[in-house]
Amino acid sequence: SQQGEEDPQALSIQEGENATMNCSYKTSINNLQWYRQNSGRGLVHLILIRSNEREKHSGRLRVTLDTSKKSSSLLITASRAADTASYFCATVPSGNTPLVFGKGTRLSVIA
Amino acid sequence: DAGVIQSPRHEVTEMGQEVTLRCKPISGHDYLFWYRQTMMRGLELLIYFNNNVPIDDSGMPEDRFSAKMPNASFSTLKIQPSEPRDSAVYFCASRSTGSRGYEQYFGPGTRLTVT
Repeated sequence: SQQGEEDPQALSIQEGENATMNCSYKTSINNLQWYRQNSGRGLVHLILIRSNEREKHSGRLRVTLDTSKKSSSLLITASRAADTASYFCATVPSGNTPLVFGKGTRLSVIA
Repeated sequence: DAGVIQSPRHEVTEMGQEVTLRCKPISGHDYLFWYRQTMMRGLELLIYFNNNVPIDDSGMPEDRFSAKMPNASFSTLKIQPSEPRDSAVYFCASRSTGSRGYEQYFGPGTRLTVT
């Protein structure tokens, strides 16, 4: 079953603009992760935020987490054509359980 | 490390044939996961193993699907007989119990087409 739901399903922006993707989930979590999938490839881990954290940065990525609203957002600043990919949020409900993925946001960055 | 290795990368077969997908996890990882990805259903967890033992196979769609992990470095996902609705990209992923936050590492996937 899928817990995370990304919004929007698709996003198209110009190179240099910021891209914001949102994720909502249903149950309490241990942590939330964001993954990127380039066309025809496997998923690659981008960033992890724990349930007791509110914001995390990694390069041009900024992730926020609001556990009261059960939501997270991924911001990619100064986007590049190479950022074109699908982005998935994944939650760890508890302990050693597997990741539960949403359906992803397809980001297109136009040069 | 070479990462998670999957083979074949592409498989085209006719309905009714047996299909075997293969996965080699990252050395030292004790969890292995099989996922299926389609446009309609997104990324679905089919089954996962811990220390070569199947832990949860509730995502396996039908008895036509079976998975094995005979040792820590190899797993197979078998579909017998295959049907057109099994067409999808199948991913294998692995992780270590000690990994920070349970980060998973994915293979490149096997694109299966059943005609």
